[in-house]
Amino acid sequence: GAVVSQHPSRVICKSGTSVKIECRSLDFQATTMFWYRQFPKQSLMLMATSNEGSKATYEQGVEKDKFLINHASLTLSTLTVTSAHPEDSSFYICSARKGAETQYFGPGTRLLVL
Amino acid sequence: GQNIDQPTEMTATEGAIVQINCTYQTSGFNGLFWYQQHAGEAPTFLSYNVLDGLEEKGRFSSFLSRSKGYSYLLLKELQMKDSASYLCAVGHGGATNKLIFGTGTLLAVQP
Repeated sequence: GAVVSQHPSRVICKSGTSVKIECRSLDFQATTMFWYRQFPKQSLMLMATSNEGSKATYEQGVEKDKFLINHASLTLSTLTVTSAHPEDSSFYICSARKGAETQYFGPGTRLLVL
Repeated sequence: GQNIDQPTEMTATEGAIVQINCTYQTSGFNGLFWYQQHAGEAPTFLSYNVLDGLEEKGRFSSFLSRSKGYSYLLLKELQMKDSASYLCAVGHGGATNKLIFGTGTLLAVQP
């Protein structure tokens, strides 16, 4: 199998607070995980590539100090949205790469910042 | 630059066949992926093509022509549950082989 979990599935927070989202590969090891953001009726936009044991690689336009990524083990990556603002409200999805090519996606985390 | 084009919306009838096209122009290429995404859920993997030709998997088939920068996803014997967005994504290659997604095609299957 190739199962990826995310926690929490849904979170509501106040503006200015930080939120941590966990992504786990449950039945395989993933040296590389990816974090995406998806706004309503739009496609997935890659935010960053998370590499186990090294710094994440951020896509152009994504603030690395605002979106902190930690890939502490071969089965866990975390995304922390720091000082969240209403415009950060979105659907955050992680994926883990199994083998050389295919990415398997987590169920997503819906973030609402009030 | 990176450009992946798909039709925005399509409508088809239950039991019929539908073909969803995808054209791409990317600076790197390491395979083409199709994912299905139901509203409010994460994408699920459907198919992967790295060589030219047709890959068949049950009711779903995917075709790739690298020289034309073109792929399609063919859905046969459509069911109501096939109503979803279908995302075309290109593997960019390199060490991480990140995926670049198209805008997605919203398919509505009608009775």
